[in-house]
Amino acid sequence: AQRVTQPEKLLSVFKGAPVELKCNYSYSGSPELFWYVQYSRQRLQLLLRHISRESIKGFTADLNKGETSFHLKKPFAQEEDSAMYYCALSLNNAGNMLTFGGGTRLMVKP
Amino acid sequence: DSGVTQTPKHLITATGQRVTLRCSPRSGDLSVYWYQQSLDQGLQFLIQYYNGEERAKGNILERFSAQQFPDLHSELNLSSLELGDSALYFCASSVSDSYNSPLHFGNGTRLTVT
Repeated sequence: AQRVTQPEKLLSVFKGAPVELKCNYSYSGSPELFWYVQYSRQRLQLLLRHISRESIKGFTADLNKGETSFHLKKPFAQEEDSAMYYCALSLNNAGNMLTFGGGTRLMVKP
Repeated sequence: DSGVTQTPKHLITATGQRVTLRCSPRSGDLSVYWYQQSLDQGLQFLIQYYNGEERAKGNILERFSAQQFPDLHSELNLSSLELGDSALYFCASSVSDSYNSPLHFGNGTRLTVT
């Protein structure tokens, strides 16, 4: 069965520092990977997805099939980036069922 | 607000009882998903419906059931409640059931079983 692992429950950085939120997955096929974010008092929302190869709010994520990873990166963290981040995986033969990682809380300190 | 709407926001009930959680998807979205978020299990997929039909099933207990109605709103029924069922229940919707169709989440229903 597929599995998504986010090894860090909490990541604390200072404003302006680089950020990398780790995500590893286990699946032998070619999944689609997503990052969802939940800001304080807001709904869980899509941040970016592998298939779009886009940069959202300065964040990027590269799918590394060899390492089965989809780490989320931002060169310079901002205080407004503080939130809960979830990595998720979708299989192309399973409708749109998402398997989520446990989440990483990012705290950006001033 | 044309986003995903979940009612009620909070629910407190006793063990052994039955509750119904309601979800109205975004306008135009045909697919509805239910997720359970607990402290020890994280976000767990329960079940998905697409245009009224069950499409995928996850770790949903037999005591739980769901359905999607012709107007596309969905209900999640939880029966014979146990303390361990206390969690945040999220509903999400998407335009299609394609694997790359983004999910739009509601604010969740917080269920407390005492």
